[in-house]
Amino acid sequence: EPEVTQTPSHQVTQMGQEVILRCVPISNHLYFYWYRQILGQKVEFLVSFYNNEISEKSEIFDDQFSVERPDGSNFTLKIRSTKLEDSAMYFCASSDRVAPYEQYFGPGTRLTVT
Amino acid sequence: RKEVEQDPGPFNVPEGATVAFNCTYSNSASQSFFWYRQDCRKEPKLLMSVYSSGNEDGRFTAQLNRASQYISLLIRDSKLSDSATYLCVVNTRWGYSTLTFGKGTMLLVSP
Repeated sequence: EPEVTQTPSHQVTQMGQEVILRCVPISNHLYFYWYRQILGQKVEFLVSFYNNEISEKSEIFDDQFSVERPDGSNFTLKIRSTKLEDSAMYFCASSDRVAPYEQYFGPGTRLTVT
Repeated sequence: RKEVEQDPGPFNVPEGATVAFNCTYSNSASQSFFWYRQDCRKEPKLLMSVYSSGNEDGRFTAQLNRASQYISLLIRDSKLSDSATYLCVVNTRWGYSTLTFGKGTMLLVSP
């Protein structure tokens, strides 16, 4: 069964450093998303991406965040200057044109900012 | 009022029990509704979509009441493997596929 993959599974970084989280969505999917989940809290939407551009973003997704689809398979989330409060699990998700609301999630990257 | 609100948990039930989860959503313009399951420190996994007519998948039955803005999930004959957190998820913006998650209700099924 096709699945979303994410790397790395765990990233530890120092405050102020840049991090790039990587995702490979399901191959025939056209819609891509990033969500995050702070420990003990609910899953929160960050950004959606379609047709090589951001289609929607939340207020969490400020200027420190950016997304990119550098090639036909990868989808990345960059945090330019990490803060302690960026520590969370970051999930990538994807969906297809037929059922864009049925999103399939990757296993997540646990980001720890020290 | 929170966008998606769920029963606080955890629910502790014996194997074989029937358990029901409830969820309310605040935006009457919401279009699509789902139940996801999340195991500890894992990703959310789509369990089922929820339709106005109600739908069933094996031991799982989901119902939607648009007038009351209420969604439910019923699990019959609980298994140990059903232990997880159940997330009520709503698409709240027409034309966008963004999902809004509830905080989840934890289910613990014991032998």
